[in-house]
Amino acid sequence: KAGVTQTPRYLIKTRGQQVTLSCSPISGHRSVSWYQQTPGQGLQFLFEYFSETQRNKGNFPGRFSGRQFSNSRSEMNVSTLELGDSALYLCASSLGVGMANEQFFGPGTRLTVL
Amino acid sequence: QKEVEQNSGPLSVPEGAIASLNCTYSDRGSQSFFWYRQYSGKSPELIMSIYSNGDKEDGRFTAQLNKASQYVSLLIRDSQPSDSATYLCAVNDNYGQNFVFGPGTRLSVLP
Repeated sequence: KAGVTQTPRYLIKTRGQQVTLSCSPISGHRSVSWYQQTPGQGLQFLFEYFSETQRNKGNFPGRFSGRQFSNSRSEMNVSTLELGDSALYLCASSLGVGMANEQFFGPGTRLTVL
Repeated sequence: QKEVEQNSGPLSVPEGAIASLNCTYSDRGSQSFFWYRQYSGKSPELIMSIYSNGDKEDGRFTAQLNKASQYVSLLIRDSQPSDSATYLCAVNDNYGQNFVFGPGTRLSVLP
């Protein structure tokens, strides 16, 4: 069974640009969550989608947005990039939502903002 | 603000020893708990989940949960150098609304 895939794996952008990251969950998984990981802040929750609806959102500015498609694939977008947006962006998928919500991570997209 | 705390380490143990990793959480409503392992430059990998008080064993790994003390731990028996990684504790509430990760504990197993 294929795992979570994320594209692209690496990105280099300059300040002010925007970027779109893509995530394909494990087949049959309907929930997708996004995280930002930096050495200083650890793993920070961005948002969660289930059945094309955003269920939960972390404490990030509106420049960070996302969406989920009917096939459960998800994209996140960051507009007006800042140097501090340089991070590893991780997508995690799970079967559904609720208490026993085991999340499985993709390999991540390493974003560098110059 | 719901918080999950872990000692950042590094925790160093000799090969063959038991490594003990600890995690505390602030939200008494938390119902599900997860341990992830993350190798340097890689993404987190789920090791174990635990939902009830007590111990849960899987191979060399044992997760221990004490909801009254708001404490969850991971024991790694017969530690191997390949276990050297950062271990992340994650906590989820009853409705799956909040999935909060701790900062991770870096484990180093010395040959």
